Amino acid sequence: QKEVEQDPGPLSVPEGAIVSLNCTYSNSAFQYFMWYRQYSRKGPELLMYTYSSGNKEDGRFTAQVDKSSKYISLFIRDSQPSDSATYLCAMRGGNTPLVFGKGTRLSVIA
Amino acid sequence: DTGVSQDPRHKITKRGQNVTFRCDPISEHNRLYWYRQTLGQGPEFLTYFQNEAQLEKSRLLSDRFSAERPKGSFSTLEIQRTEQGDSAMYLCASSLGGLTNEKLFFGSGTQLSVL
Repeated sequence: QKEVEQDPGPLSVPEGAIVSLNCTYSNSAFQYFMWYRQYSRKGPELLMYTYSSGNKEDGRFTAQVDKSSKYISLFIRDSQPSDSATYLCAMRGGNTPLVFGKGTRLSVIA
Repeated sequence: DTGVSQDPRHKITKRGQNVTFRCDPISEHNRLYWYRQTLGQGPEFLTYFQNEAQLEKSRLLSDRFSAERPKGSFSTLEIQRTEQGDSAMYLCASSLGGLTNEKLFFGSGTQLSVL
């Protein structure tokens, strides 16, 4: 079992839809949770950062962490064609390297 | 541009050749990371530096791979005797390490193709 599991998709939605992206993990030492967005042939770009359990909102993006279930989510409201990218979840413990999921490829169709 | 810079963007080489990549981190960042990403996979950790000290290496980093950060600024990653399995995107990231909310900022990567 990999430490971080993420459905690779692809996921295709119409413009304006609410998108839900998820990851599960097995390492209970993970405390810091991130979502990165990666466009084709580019490096990952940090979108959201959350410590421990709870919700965090930033514009159209909401990140949720449920440590009891070892489950994290990213919601995108009013999705736009420019949101089409691969979304990577990433997480780490206290002072350990970031561990990434495989990424979910998202297409938002105009 | 004050982001993480990687050079070259693309490298095509023949099996058995040596290649070297360079990364220039964000100037005030003391930590520098190397990751490798293959098609359809997330980035995998290779190694990281705090200033000039190499603090951790993944078991993915075989003895054909060596990384340096001689003055705690830019870093190089060398692959000797390249193999086709080394074909991947090599990503560099930097951060202000030692903080509980450490955040990694990535460069655009070097895409390596070994023929």
